[in-house]
Amino acid sequence: QVRLQQWGAGLLTPSETLSLTCAVYGGSLSGYYWSWIRQPPGKGLEWIGETSHIGRTNYNPSLKSRVTISIDTSKNQFSLKLSAVTAADTAVYYCARGSTMVTSYDYWGQGTLVPVSS
Amino acid sequence: DIVMTQPPLSSPVTLGQPASISCRSSQSLVHSDGNTYLSWFQQRPGQPLRLLISKISNRFSGVPNRFSGSGAGTDFTLKISRVEAEDVGVYYCMQATQFPRTFGQGTKVEIK
Repeated sequence: QVRLQQWGAGLLTPSETLSLTCAVYGGSLSGYYWSWIRQPPGKGLEWIGETSHIGRTNYNPSLKSRVTISIDTSKNQFSLKLSAVTAADTAVYYCARGSTMVTSYDYWGQGTLVPVSS
Repeated sequence: DIVMTQPPLSSPVTLGQPASISCRSSQSLVHSDGNTYLSWFQQRPGQPLRLLISKISNRFSGVPNRFSGSGAGTDFTLKISRVEAEDVGVYYCMQATQFPRTFGQGTKVEIK
């Protein structure tokens, strides 16, 4: 059974860099797209971006200048960095597996709340 | 970006009765490969999203058959044939036809 476990720094102050990592258990990184999606408190979902197992990335244009998604196949992990955060970046961040079999996100991490406050 | 529109609330439903959730996209979700990449997710309180349906009507592994999806082009529907207590939550549609992927705002299902 595939399981995604994520972690990262908690409270951030404005202008810092958000950093999260997602480890994949019970499955290979190959053949999938590894994604980050966020949900501000009480609001809808925003797709941040994705990486393939060979590091091919797609980013949301609204965040592209600040986002880096990378992958480490030796550790079966992928990561998110979001620079110059503001309060508007406060959200629960989810990692998820994008499957071309279903062309959707079939496995999700548990979510990490990242508050940004001065 | 493709805008996905869902009503925020469905009409409260009695246990055992059907429920229906609509989703509309701002443009056709038919991909150049002929497929329509519209998915439905369930989010129970405090939980991550759970994939229910992909490509309009394909139930994901382990999803009860009381969940079904339909639609075409820009209009889509998720139906629950007989609502159970565990179905309470927020339901999201998502399009994966174009980048960036976009989600509806979610529709809350409540029990009467």
